[in-house]
Amino acid sequence: GAGVSQSPSNKVTEKGKDVELRCDPISGHTALYWYRQSLGQGLEFLIYFQGNSAPDKSGLPSDRFSAERTGGSVSTLTIQRTQQEDSAVYLCASSLAPGTTQYFGPGTRLLVL
Amino acid sequence: QQPVQSPQAVILREGEDAVINCSSSKALYSVHWYRQKHGEAPVFLMILLKGGEQKGHEKISASFNEKKQQSSLYLTASQLSYSGTYFCGTAPYGGATNKLIFGTGTLLAVQP
Repeated sequence: GAGVSQSPSNKVTEKGKDVELRCDPISGHTALYWYRQSLGQGLEFLIYFQGNSAPDKSGLPSDRFSAERTGGSVSTLTIQRTQQEDSAVYLCASSLAPGTTQYFGPGTRLLVL
Repeated sequence: QQPVQSPQAVILREGEDAVINCSSSKALYSVHWYRQKHGEAPVFLMILLKGGEQKGHEKISASFNEKKQQSSLYLTASQLSYSGTYFCGTAPYGGATNKLIFGTGTLLAVQP
């Protein structure tokens, strides 16, 4: 079946602009995760959604970052007033249930000029 | 809180073996191993759960020593396709098992 998809695959924006990144998880997966990966670095947890529960936002680096998940499926990560340090690959993953295998999407490469 | 991986990088010839370690300062419930090739998404390799189990996947296996709070990934008779960055993701014991904390990665390069 189809895997996790993300769009856009690449995004170049100017400092101060807002960006929206989209994630379509695997159908039926109740858990959805957002990570950030800076060049040559590991995966930094951002936010986690599970069903209809309140999301775990503990990894969001600032209040410029927000995310929502509509209808328990598609998720959007929004970065307001982008800064150059926001440049990174943003990865989305989904899993059938909490604590089970996470399947990653191809990521969105964000470059803030 | 971030697990420490060692070595940071390793270069192998085809057919050689390698061990990648992942150590945590906290008691662990599970360890997840992923491989990421350059420019691609991480790909799941295996999960090890509390109980000190050992798993295998073709010529890649792993162990989980909960007393030492450490997991090791074993790559035997390495192939060119094994090249990539290996990450461990850990879930703390008694904490949120759904949220993984990833190590900084181990870069593995297999040469002909």
